[in-house]
Amino acid sequence: QVQLVQSGVEVKKPGASVKVSCRASGYTFTSYSVSWVRQAPGQGLEWMGWISTYNGNTKYAQKVQGRVTMTTDTSTGTAYMELKSLRSDDTAVYYCARRHSSGWYDYLDYWGQGTLVTVSS
Amino acid sequence: DIQMTQSPSSLSASVGDRITITCRASQSIDNYLNWYQQKAGRAPSLLIYTASSLQSGVPSRFSGRGSGTDFTLTISSLQPEDFATYYCQQTFSTGTFGQGTKVEIK
Repeated sequence: QVQLVQSGVEVKKPGASVKVSCRASGYTFTSYSVSWVRQAPGQGLEWMGWISTYNGNTKYAQKVQGRVTMTTDTSTGTAYMELKSLRSDDTAVYYCARRHSSGWYDYLDYWGQGTLVTVSS
Repeated sequence: DIQMTQSPSSLSASVGDRITITCRASQSIDNYLNWYQQKAGRAPSLLIYTASSLQSGVPSRFSGRGSGTDFTLTISSLQPEDFATYYCQQTFSTGTFGQGTKVEIK
C-alpha cells in the first residue's frame, strides 16, 4: 500500500535551517511528484510547492520562494524539504503528499503523517 | 495569485442533516478544484477531485459541483464521522487552499 513516512519532530532557533524528509513506498516513486503543505497551529493549510521526482523540476509558493529548497533521492524514494532562515511564524506541521497530476487533473491523494517544526529562541 | 474563499467558516449541524460548503475562486480555475477533509490531529484526506469526482473509498453521501469560479461540497446526510474541517484547493495555478470550514455538532 502507498505510504509516505516523514521524519520526526524538530526544534530550531530563529535563523537556523530545517530539513524534513518524506520516504515513499508502495508505488513507483518517479511516477508522481511530491508536494509540501504546512499548517501553523490552529490555522489552515498552506501550499508550499512541489517537486517532480522524474526530472527535479520545482514550483514554489511566492511566500517561501528564496528560502525553500525541495529535493529528491530517487535511489531511496525519499523527498526532502529544506527551509532556511527560520522565523517564529514558520512554526507549523509540515506535510508531504503525493501529487497525482496530468493534463486535466491535479490533486494530492496520499499524505505523510506530518512533521512538527517549532522555531523558538 | 489565485485566492480561494470558503463559506461559511464554521457551521453547526446534526446527524442526518444535509449541508453545503461553498468555495469561490478569485478567477476562473476551470474544474481544477479539490476537496479535503481533516480531522483533529490528523493529516488531510482527499474527498473530491476535479470538482466532482469522488475519490476511491469515499462514501457517496459526499458530492461536489461547480466549474469556473463557484464550487460546492455537499454532504447529503451528515454522519458522526463527518465532523471535521473541510478545505478546497485550486490546482489551476499553484495549489492555494481555502481557509477551511469547520463542521461541528449542534
